Amino acid sequence: DGGITQSPKYLFRKEGQNVTLSCEQNLNHDAMYWYRQDPGQGLRLIYYSQIVNDFQKGDIAEGYSVSREKKESFPLTVTSAQKNPTAFYLCASSMVGSSYNEQFFGPGTRLTVL
Amino acid sequence: AQTVTQSQPEMSVQEAETVTLSCTYDTSESNYYLFWYKQPPSRQMILVIRQEAYKQQNATENRFSVNFQKAAKSFSLKISDSQLGDTAMYFCGYGSGNTGKLIFGQGTTLQVKP
Repeated sequence: DGGITQSPKYLFRKEGQNVTLSCEQNLNHDAMYWYRQDPGQGLRLIYYSQIVNDFQKGDIAEGYSVSREKKESFPLTVTSAQKNPTAFYLCASSMVGSSYNEQFFGPGTRLTVL
Repeated sequence: AQTVTQSQPEMSVQEAETVTLSCTYDTSESNYYLFWYKQPPSRQMILVIRQEAYKQQNATENRFSVNFQKAAKSFSLKISDSQLGDTAMYFCGYGSGNTGKLIFGQGTTLQVKP
């Protein structure tokens, strides 16, 4: 079955630690996105990538880093510089080439800082 | 400023009745589309309906329809014959036709009561 997988579903981190969230898709999509969801604030874009080995900052990139070495994978690292990392993180992917490509979302990862 | 406003944090409706969720937006982009996603308790994001901004005819998907008022920058969602499975958080927003970036509103929690 084609889709987007995110792992782990729940993640706990101690303050001062970096942690990496996994996102994999087998939809053959070129574009991938990372969003953060906080209560009452909807989803906000962290980083996005429209092609392998290239990515752009979104609206809240500070304290995060990404890589795009393979088309299928777009891992997100939450660094110790992110002051308030506890949130729900969603990965999405879409085709490119048309102006109105639907974004398909993964099931999300809940990150909690202890 | 690029913003999306959903003025109704919570709404409820009786099963089989009709409900309308409000949304206004502001963007300087000329190439964009509008959307509504739902997020049920499972937290999986599901596209409900979308409409390219250049189209005047309102989009419809089964029981879901929109009222798009471009001049007023309004994009409301009407759910007819509400079902218990419609209980979810609903996010309005717009997407850039150039970058693929999505801008989300804060969400409206809809409860369908039996």
